[in-house]
Amino acid sequence: RKEVEQDPGPFNVPEGATVAFNCTYSNSASQSFFWYRQDCRKEPKLLMSVYSSGNEDGRFTAQLNRASQYISLLIRDSKLSDSATYLCVVNRDDYKLSFGAGTTVTVRA
Amino acid sequence: GAGVSQSPSNKVTEKGKDVELRCDPISGHTALYWYRQRLGQGLEFLIYFQGNSAPDKSGLPSDRFSAERTGESVSTLTIQRTQQEDSAVYLCASSLGDFPHINPSTDTQYFGPGTRLTVL
Repeated sequence: RKEVEQDPGPFNVPEGATVAFNCTYSNSASQSFFWYRQDCRKEPKLLMSVYSSGNEDGRFTAQLNRASQYISLLIRDSKLSDSATYLCVVNRDDYKLSFGAGTTVTVRA
Repeated sequence: GAGVSQSPSNKVTEKGKDVELRCDPISGHTALYWYRQRLGQGLEFLIYFQGNSAPDKSGLPSDRFSAERTGESVSTLTIQRTQQEDSAVYLCASSLGDFPHINPSTDTQYFGPGTRLTVL
C-alpha cells in the first residue's frame, strides 16, 4: 500500500464552482500534514498546512480525519488560476515527508 | 527574501557521462532534501541532510548517485555514468529542521525550481 494515495483526477470544473478531493495516508503515527500545489513544469509550493481542527485560508479549506486517516481539500469559488496539481503531503517520521502523486484540477472559463 | 536556488536549470548529457547538480538552500535552514520527479509522477525521496548528522541516503537508487553538503549550506548531487532512466527533474528542498519537535512550521519544505536532466 502506498504511504499517501490520491485520486489523480482530473477534476474539470467551471469557474465559480466548488471542488473537493481527499487523500488517504497509511501511517497512523503521522503528525504533520500539508497541501502543496504544483503547476506544470514548476516546483511544488506550499498551499497550506493542515491542523487537527481543520483550517481555512481564503477560498481553501483543509480538514484532517485521523480516525479514517484522510485529509481533504476544498476549493470554493474556483478561479482559472487554481488549475494545478495538488499534492497531499504527510510526514513519514521525524523528518521525512511522503508526497502523493497529486490530484489534477482544471478550472474552465 | 532569497529562496532555494538550483543550478543548472537544464542539463542535457550523453549516456555514460557524469553530472553534478547544485542546490543553495534558504539561509538558516538546517535540513536539506533531494527528490527526483519523473514526468507525470510524484516526488521520489533521494537523500536528506540535517546539520552535522550523517545523511539519510536510503532513497538513492544506486551507487551511481551520491550527494554532499558543506556544513549547512550548498549541496551537490552527483550522478555518475548517467543512464537514460535518470532523466527527470531533480528538486532540492530545505526546511528549518527543528526535529524531532514535529511542527508544521518547521516541517514545511521549500523547493527550488529544480534541474531538468535529460540523458540522451
